[in-house]
Amino acid sequence: EPEVTQTPSHQVTQMGQEVILRCVPISNHLYFYWYRQILGQKVEFLVSFYNNEISEKSEIFDDQFSVERPDGSNFTLKIRSTKLEDSAMYFCASSQSGTVNQPQHFGDGTRLSIL
Amino acid sequence: AQSVTQLDSQVPVFEEAPVELRCNYSSSVSVYLFWYVQYPNQGLQLLLKYLSGSTLVKGINGFEAEFNKSQTSFHLRKPSVHISDTAEYFCAVSEGSSNTGKLIFGQGTTLQVKP
Repeated sequence: EPEVTQTPSHQVTQMGQEVILRCVPISNHLYFYWYRQILGQKVEFLVSFYNNEISEKSEIFDDQFSVERPDGSNFTLKIRSTKLEDSAMYFCASSQSGTVNQPQHFGDGTRLSIL
Repeated sequence: AQSVTQLDSQVPVFEEAPVELRCNYSSSVSVYLFWYVQYPNQGLQLLLKYLSGSTLVKGINGFEAEFNKSQTSFHLRKPSVHISDTAEYFCAVSEGSSNTGKLIFGQGTTLQVKP
């Protein structure tokens, strides 16, 4: 069964540095998402992406965050200048459409640790 | 604004016993409801979903959930659990008017199945 893959599984970065989290969605999917889960807290929606543009974003997704689909297969989340509070598990998801009839498939996550 | 509350952070239960994981939501519009499971070091996997129709929904691995509109609940149940059901369980909602399918998650319930 096709799956969403995320790399790296664990990223350790110094505060203030830029970090790029990578995701390869399922090949025939058109909608892409990033969520994050701070340790001990809820899984939170960050952003959804369709047709090479952001379709929705949360309040968390400020100017420090950006997303890109650079080559038609990868979907990346960039944090420009990381803060301690960015430490979390980041999940990528994809679906065939943006409707609830097509479930979102999640990757295993990238654990981001900011020092 | 939508929100999801999972009342129990941890639920310990003996193998072959029944279990219920509670989920309540709040929303001013129609919602769609989901349960996801996260096994250790893995991503989120869809267990079941309620979109419309019968309020009793059956999912994978013998789980079922019942949508109760008057009580704004979507509790997850299994009549007899196995050790392999030990995992984190997340309840989630998607707003009916959303065209991006973003999910709003509860804080999760850890199901600990003991031999």
